[in-house]
Amino acid sequence: AAGVIQSPRHLIKEKRETATLKCYPIPRHDTVYWYQQGPGQDPQFLISFYEKMQSDKGSIPDRFSAQQFSDYHSELNMSSLELGDSALYFCASSPGRNTQYFGPGTRLTVL
Amino acid sequence: GESVGLHLPTLSVQEGDNSIINCAYSNSASDYFIWYKQESGKGPQFIIDIRSNMDKRQGQRVTVLLNKTVKHLSLQIAATQPGDSAVYFCAENMGQGAQKLVFGQGTRLTINP
Repeated sequence: AAGVIQSPRHLIKEKRETATLKCYPIPRHDTVYWYQQGPGQDPQFLISFYEKMQSDKGSIPDRFSAQQFSDYHSELNMSSLELGDSALYFCASSPGRNTQYFGPGTRLTVL
Repeated sequence: GESVGLHLPTLSVQEGDNSIINCAYSNSASDYFIWYKQESGKGPQFIIDIRSNMDKRQGQRVTVLLNKTVKHLSLQIAATQPGDSAVYFCAENMGQGAQKLVFGQGTRLTINP
């Protein structure tokens, strides 16, 4: 079965640089979620989109922005990167308000 | 604020034994709970879910119990296998529209041969 696709899988950036993470949801899933997971931490909800509109917002820094496109894929844009932004970033998708299925994650390292 | 937490950070069981992972939640208005399994370097994998109008739900080798009176959730894994070794998270839906999951701390389950 098709799963959530995230790219890139690994990303290394310098402080103050920008990064863009991409997420391709499971086909026919119209809702996308972004989570951040620090080392040894639980995933923290950042933001979600339903039918290309922002649905809910969590602990997402102002330096980050995201959007969902007409083909339902989503991008998380991160600017002025800080060392503390180093983490695993997961995207999840669901059909409406139903079970979320997670992607493999993008490991971001900020040097 | 409202949060979901786990009683035990680590759990070690013998292969073939049953295991129980516990979770306490504080938002009495939550209507949906999910258990996820996360292996090292991978994304959380859905195991089983339960809605607040139920107190028990069974899957393949897994059972989730919900006690709304004491706001407690548990995951029972029967006849554990080495592949069950992972970190297990409970999550609570806090969203009004789309889901907004709040994850608990996570319990590391280790299956000993």
